[in-house]
Amino acid sequence: GIQVEQSPPDLILQEGANSTLRCNFSDSVNNLQWFHQNPWGQLINLFYIPSGTKQNGRLSATTVATERYSLLYISSSQTTDSGVYFCAVGESSSASKIIFGSGTRLSIRP
Amino acid sequence: GAVVSQHPSRVICKSGTSVKIECRSLDFQATTMFWYRQFPKQSLMLMATSNEGSKATYEQGVEKDKFLINHASLTLSTLTVTSAHPEDSSFYICSARAGTGGNGYTFGSGTRLTVV
Repeated sequence: GIQVEQSPPDLILQEGANSTLRCNFSDSVNNLQWFHQNPWGQLINLFYIPSGTKQNGRLSATTVATERYSLLYISSSQTTDSGVYFCAVGESSSASKIIFGSGTRLSIRP
Repeated sequence: GAVVSQHPSRVICKSGTSVKIECRSLDFQATTMFWYRQFPKQSLMLMATSNEGSKATYEQGVEKDKFLINHASLTLSTLTVTSAHPEDSSFYICSARAGTGGNGYTFGSGTRLTVV
């Protein structure tokens, strides 16, 4: 099955800093999403981005499908950005299931 | 937007008993729903794909007789953990996809199961 790797596994930043989270995948995909999991476990859908670039406020994401990676950018970090960020992908050859990467644990310090 | 409701949010049960978790799509029909399990500080692992009106498809290593999945309607899927043991304690999350594309997957708020 498809392999999904995220880096870095952990990231500690000061409030106001910018960050880039990376997601590499081993096969072609028809679905890619970025999620933020809050301290209560709820998964917040940030972007549906199987290809191209999207922006939403301080967050933006880019997926280069031909090179099998996606990047999530967080600018001017706030303490509320802390949590775990997951990338999840769906294989082009698969019916519809999506597989999660191992996540990046982001800690923003005041 | 698409909403998936999951209940209960938290349950504590005694070892040997069974627990049922419900997952409902509130404003869309979901022919397929998915069940994930997440242990502390780990990623979400897909357990099974729940298909309306037919048997669920389980991932390798997931015991289908222990984790019973029923998808009786287009808006409801249930996961029953049978004869629960402390090692089944985990965070269980369901998801569904509204439509055929452009929206991705929506997740329930999860169920934290503790078996004592």
